[in-house]
Amino acid sequence: RKEVEQDPGPFNVPEGATVAFNCTYSNSASQSFFWYRQDCRKEPKLLMSVYSSGNEDGRFTAQLNRASQYISLLIRDSKLSDSATYLCVVNSGGYQKVTFGTGTKLQVIP
Amino acid sequence: GAVVSQHPSWVICKSGTSVKIECRSLDFQATTMFWYRQFPKQSLMLMATSNEGSKATYEQGVEKDKFLINHASLTLSTLTVTSAHPEDSSFYICSARDPFSGANVLTFGAGSRLTVL
Repeated sequence: RKEVEQDPGPFNVPEGATVAFNCTYSNSASQSFFWYRQDCRKEPKLLMSVYSSGNEDGRFTAQLNRASQYISLLIRDSKLSDSATYLCVVNSGGYQKVTFGTGTKLQVIP
Repeated sequence: GAVVSQHPSWVICKSGTSVKIECRSLDFQATTMFWYRQFPKQSLMLMATSNEGSKATYEQGVEKDKFLINHASLTLSTLTVTSAHPEDSSFYICSARDPFSGANVLTFGAGSRLTVL
C-alpha cells in the first residue's frame, strides 16, 4: 500500500460546480497535512494546510479524518483557473518525512 | 512569503555530460534544502537533503556519486547530475522550509526540466 494515495482523475467539471477530492494515508503517526496545487510543468505551491478541526479558505475547504486516515479538499463554485493538479502532502515527522501523493488532476470546463 | 529561485528552468544536454542546477533562497537563510525529482504523471520523490556545511543525506536508491550536492552557503545549494543519460531526463525541484509560514510548510523553486539526448 502506498503511503499516500490519491485518485489521479482527471475530474472534468463544469464551471460553478462543486468538486471534492480525497487522499488516504497509511501512517497513523502522520502529524501534519497539506494540499498543494501544481500547474502543468510548474512547481507545487501551497494551497492550504489541513487542521484537525477542518478549515476553510474562500471557496476551498479542507478536512481531516484521523480515524479513517484521510484528508479531503472541497472546491465550491469552480473556476476555470482552478484547473490544475492537486497534491496531497503528508508529514510524518521532520521535513525528510514529507510524502507527496501523485496528485489529482482537475479540469474545469466552460 | 519565502522565495526560492532555481536555475536553469530547462536544459538540454548530450548523454555523458554533466549538468548543474542551482537553488537559492532569496529572502531567507536555508540551512537545509531538499531536492526532488518528478517523472511524468508521478509524484515528487525526495532525492536528498542538502545540509549547509556538511554532506548531503541521500534517499535509498539515489546514487550520491551521480547526483552531487553542494550546499556551500546559507542561501545556495547545487545539484550536479554527472554523466547524464536519457533516463535522467526529469523535472528536478528544490525546496526549503518556509520560515514565514507554519511548521513544515515547504516553498519550492520553479523546477528545472532536464532533457538528456
